[in-house]
Amino acid sequence: GQQVMQIPQYQHVQEGEDFTTYCNSSTTLSNIQWYKQRPGGHPVFLIQLVKSGEVKKQKRLTFQFGEAKKNSSLHITATQTTDVGTYFCAGRVLLNSGAGSYQLTFGKGTKLSVIP
Amino acid sequence: EAQVTQNPRYLITVTGKKLTVTCSQNMNHEYMSWYRQDPGLGLRQIYYSMNVEVTDKGDVPEGYKVSRKEKRNFPLILESPSPNQTSLYFCASSALAEIYNEQFFGPGTRLTVL
Repeated sequence: GQQVMQIPQYQHVQEGEDFTTYCNSSTTLSNIQWYKQRPGGHPVFLIQLVKSGEVKKQKRLTFQFGEAKKNSSLHITATQTTDVGTYFCAGRVLLNSGAGSYQLTFGKGTKLSVIP
Repeated sequence: EAQVTQNPRYLITVTGKKLTVTCSQNMNHEYMSWYRQDPGLGLRQIYYSMNVEVTDKGDVPEGYKVSRKEKRNFPLILESPSPNQTSLYFCASSALAEIYNEQFFGPGTRLTVL
């Protein structure tokens, strides 16, 4: 079945340093989504990338979707303590366009700690 | 307010005692799903439903049942819970649209099976 690998599993950074997490899929994706889960909270949708080579920015966060639509990255510039949490990617594969059936597979997440 | 609700939020039970975790969404979403989250394993899908009366197995369905009799509700049933089902459970819903299909997650249910 579809697999989504996400690295690193953990990342500790000093406040102000940059942070990047990477996702790789075993299959070509229809789109990829990114979620953030704060400690003790639930995953919250951040963004969705659909097009090959797409780059989107949200303030200090930059999201990229690979040309082959099999990999993606999230980069945070100048981390702040509010960035603490676990970041998940989720790859979506369309199984049956007629039935609208798809499979969504989450990576295992990258847990970000920010040292003040 | 658009939301996914789960009940109970916390539950401690004993092995073999049947339990149900409820999930309800008010966004008229077709797609609903259950995940379990364990340290180091991320979010693993248990079951999902594309619409009323349509359910399918995810990656870890053993020991769980679901039903989708109404569009808004998607309960998770553990007929005979075992300690290895101790976990944090999330319900999620989304539209089936090609593009606008972000998952909305419930607050989670922390289950302990003794």
